[in-house]
Amino acid sequence: DTGVSQDPRHKITKRGQNVTFRCDPISEHNRLYWYRQTLGQGPEFLTYFQNEAQLEKSRLLSDRFSAERPKGSFSTLEIQRTEQGDSAMYLCASSLYPAPVEGNTIYFGEGSWLTVV
Amino acid sequence: AQTVTQSQPEMSVQEAETVTLSCTYDTSENNYYLFWYKQPPSRQMILVIRQEAYKQQNATENRFSVNFQKAAKSFSLKISDSQLGDTAMYFCALQLRTYKYIFGTGTRLKVLA
Repeated sequence: DTGVSQDPRHKITKRGQNVTFRCDPISEHNRLYWYRQTLGQGPEFLTYFQNEAQLEKSRLLSDRFSAERPKGSFSTLEIQRTEQGDSAMYLCASSLYPAPVEGNTIYFGEGSWLTVV
Repeated sequence: AQTVTQSQPEMSVQEAETVTLSCTYDTSENNYYLFWYKQPPSRQMILVIRQEAYKQQNATENRFSVNFQKAAKSFSLKISDSQLGDTAMYFCALQLRTYKYIFGTGTRLKVLA
């Protein structure tokens, strides 16, 4: 399968610990996005990359959050000093830009569930 | 500010019937895309249908079609011949020139046998 893959799928951590999520996008996609989704809500934009450049960060992305895409392929999202409010699903998505036919449709991974206890 | 509103938290429909999910949005931009995504219990978001704002013709994709009313900023999804596999959360999303998506809060659709 060549879809967007995320690892781990589930993570339970104690408050104050650091966690890291990995995302492998669809191989030919140059854009990669991170979203956060809490129960009963739609996904909220966190940040996105074009190749290795981080082009935009949401104000939701506090200084405890850092995302990287060092070689323009996979990406990591690290949360330092986790808080209970960080409990959510972290969704990764990718797209090809430009894509005049697809209109920059983004394709999502299955998400990484984080529970902070 | 750009917003997407889905006013129906939950809906149900009998198998083989038709159901319409509502979505309204607000943006000051002229060029944008609108999407409906489906999120089954397995949680992976799947694209259902896409509409370019500059196109007047409503998009269709097999049993799925949209009613796009640009002036009213309305973008509803019609599912015909509903199937049990259509049971999922449905999210309406607005994509702006910046390529960022803004999602609504979703409508939980249950198809009843």
